[in-house]
Amino acid sequence: LAKTTQPISMDSYEGQEVNITCSHNNIATNDYITWYQQFPSQGPRFIIQGYKTKVTNEVASLFIPADRKSSTLSLPRVSLSDTAVYYCLVGDMVDSNYQLIWGAGTKLIIKP
Amino acid sequence: DADVTQTPRNRITKTGKRIMLECSQTKGHDRMYWYRQDPGLGLRLIYYSFDVKDINKGEISDGYSVSRQAQAKFSLSLESAIPNQTALYFCATSDSWTGTDTQYFGPGTRLTVL
Repeated sequence: LAKTTQPISMDSYEGQEVNITCSHNNIATNDYITWYQQFPSQGPRFIIQGYKTKVTNEVASLFIPADRKSSTLSLPRVSLSDTAVYYCLVGDMVDSNYQLIWGAGTKLIIKP
Repeated sequence: DADVTQTPRNRITKTGKRIMLECSQTKGHDRMYWYRQDPGLGLRLIYYSFDVKDINKGEISDGYSVSRQAQAKFSLSLESAIPNQTALYFCATSDSWTGTDTQYFGPGTRLTVL
C-alpha cells in the first residue's frame, strides 16, 4: 500500500532556504507529485506540482529524483508568512483502484 | 478559495443527531470530494463524486453518506453523529480524478459532537 512520509515539523529563520522532503514508496506510473500549503482555519492551497527532475514557479521549487520515490519542496528565502503546514500528495493504484495518498503534513515554523 | 463554499462553518451537535454539511462550487468542476482532517493525521478522503451519477467511497466512509444534488452541490451527512466524528471537514473540487490535477478546497467546517 502506498504511503507518504514527511517530517512532522521543521523550524527555520526568515531569509533562509527551507527544504521539506516527502518519501513515497509507491506512486502511479503516470502520476504527478503535488504539494499543498495550509494556513490555520483554511483549506489547503496548491503550491507546486511535478513529474520528474525539477520544477520551479514563483513561490517554490520541486526536486524529484529519477526513481520518483521522494520529492523535495524548496522554499527560497522564507518569511514569517510561510509559517504553515505543507502536504505532499501522490496517487497510487491499489487493487486496481486509483487512490489519492496524502502525507500527514509538515508544520513549518519561521522565526524572525 | 471563494469558488468553493461550505456551510455551516462551525457546528456543535449532540451524539445521535443527524446533521448535514453542504458544499457548493462555482468552478464548473465535475469532481467533488469530502475530506476529514484530524490533528496530526492530515487529510483523509470520505467520499468522492465524479459527476452527479457517480459517487464513490473513500478511505473512511463508515458513518457518513453523501448526496450530489447537482454538478455544483455535494452534501455530507452524518446519520447519527458520534464524538469521534469531531473534526474539521473540507470539501474540494477538481477537474480530474488524479493527483495530477489541482484540488480547490473550501474553507472547512469545524464539527464538534458532544
